[in-house]
Amino acid sequence: SAVISQKPSRDICQRGTSLTIQCQVDSQVTMMFWYRQQPGQSLTLIATANQGSEATYESGFVIDKFPISRPNLTFSTLTVSNMSPEDSSIYLCSVLGGGNTEAFFGQGTRLTVV
Amino acid sequence: KQEVTQIPAALSVPEGENLVLNCSFTDSAIYNLQWFRQDPGKGLTSLLLIQSSQREQTSGRLNASLDKSSGRSTLYIAASQPGDSATYLCAVSPPSGGYQKVTFGTGTKLQVIP
Repeated sequence: SAVISQKPSRDICQRGTSLTIQCQVDSQVTMMFWYRQQPGQSLTLIATANQGSEATYESGFVIDKFPISRPNLTFSTLTVSNMSPEDSSIYLCSVLGGGNTEAFFGQGTRLTVV
Repeated sequence: KQEVTQIPAALSVPEGENLVLNCSFTDSAIYNLQWFRQDPGKGLTSLLLIQSSQREQTSGRLNASLDKSSGRSTLYIAASQPGDSATYLCAVSPPSGGYQKVTFGTGTKLQVIP
C-alpha cells in the first residue's frame, strides 16, 4: 500500500486568491492524480501529473486555473488559482499501488471560498 | 460511456445488522472494481479491490462480490457498528487499466445507529 500525506486538510479562502495543496507519498510513483469532489457529488479527475513532464488535464480543466508541479517521484502540488465560491470542494490526490491496480488517496483538502 | 450507480443513496440501520450495498455499472468490460470508504470531508480509504478475473474478496467483516456479466457488485457488511458510518464509493477501471478513466459512483451514505 501507499501512504499519502496531503495538506492542508482544510482552508477557508477569499475569492480571487490562490491556494496550493501539497501531496507527499511514502514511495516513488510514476503518476499522481488530482481529483475534485464538489458537494454531494462523486469524484472528477482534474489532471494526471508525471514527473519530468507537464500534467495532462481532463476536459474542462486548464493549466492556468489548476497549475500542477511534480518536481520528483514522491511529491506534487496543485494550485487552485483566482478562486471563486464555485471552487469550494474537496480536492484529493491519488496514486496507484499493488502493481498499478489499486488506488490510494490522501486525506483530502476541504476548500471553502468566501 | 461507463456509468456507475449506487443504490441506495442513503441507508440507516441499527447496530448489529448485516447489510448490503449495491453498485451497478453499464459496461461489463472492466479491469477491476474497488470499494472505498469516505468519512465526512475526508479522503478515500481503500477497502477491497476485485480484479476482473475474481468473483469476491473478503476483509474482516467486509465481503465484496463481482458479477461482470450482469454489471453488478455488492459490498456486504456483517454485524454493523457505529464506526462503520461513512459514505461508501465503488469505482471501476477500464480494460486497458488506464486509471485516468476510472469511473466513480456517487456513493451510499451509511448511518449505523447505536
